[in-house]
Amino acid sequence: DTEVTQTPKHLVMGMTNKKSLKCEQHMGHRAMYWYKQKAKKPPELMFVYSYEKLSINESVPSRFSPECPNSSLLNLHLHALQPEDSALYLCASSQDRTVRTLRFFGSGTQLSVL
Amino acid sequence: DQQVKQNSPSLSVQEGRISILNCDYTNSMFDYFLWYKKYPAEGPTFLISISSIKDKNEDGRFTVFLNKSAKHLSLHIVPSQPGDSAVYFCAASKRDDKIIFGKGTRLHILP
Repeated sequence: DTEVTQTPKHLVMGMTNKKSLKCEQHMGHRAMYWYKQKAKKPPELMFVYSYEKLSINESVPSRFSPECPNSSLLNLHLHALQPEDSALYLCASSQDRTVRTLRFFGSGTQLSVL
Repeated sequence: DQQVKQNSPSLSVQEGRISILNCDYTNSMFDYFLWYKKYPAEGPTFLISISSIKDKNEDGRFTVFLNKSAKHLSLHIVPSQPGDSAVYFCAASKRDDKIIFGKGTRLHILP
């Protein structure tokens, strides 16, 4: 299995809702990432988990809350989002915290905040 | 300030010909470079990478060239195929720091 699986594929939420994005990989990778990508822009790093511990937070607002329950799962909890948070949210994984091994991205969750 | 630049937003190439995608970078500390391909509403797919100790890396139809003195790299695809139509992102990193992506070049392969 060489996939990073993200659910849901699409999500529409209001500004007062609480929702969660889920990411799963079964490649034994020990680093997992959340990226945000707006239309016609490059992916921007949000968070990195290494060995289930948060190792990088790119000054992301607290309305985004990551969680890594185990080495195969990564969640992104969303609360009180703004319309400008609408974007494609990508999960990625790598063998370890070595950038040279960042090969696998999920298909993303297309998020619309109304 | 953009550290990784892809100055051509789009490129059209005839099927069967060579596609050349260019990328420039400003940070001389970058020591590892990657190319990704992305279809709409999908995640990026890794294509090929190159370390700064090399000037060329080849994998099937894909070849990446690195010119450190010019801080320039290019991705060659030959022959170009219809399935190559996608957005291509150049990315760079220094000493295993986070990857910095360029804005992407949209490649259209014409029949």
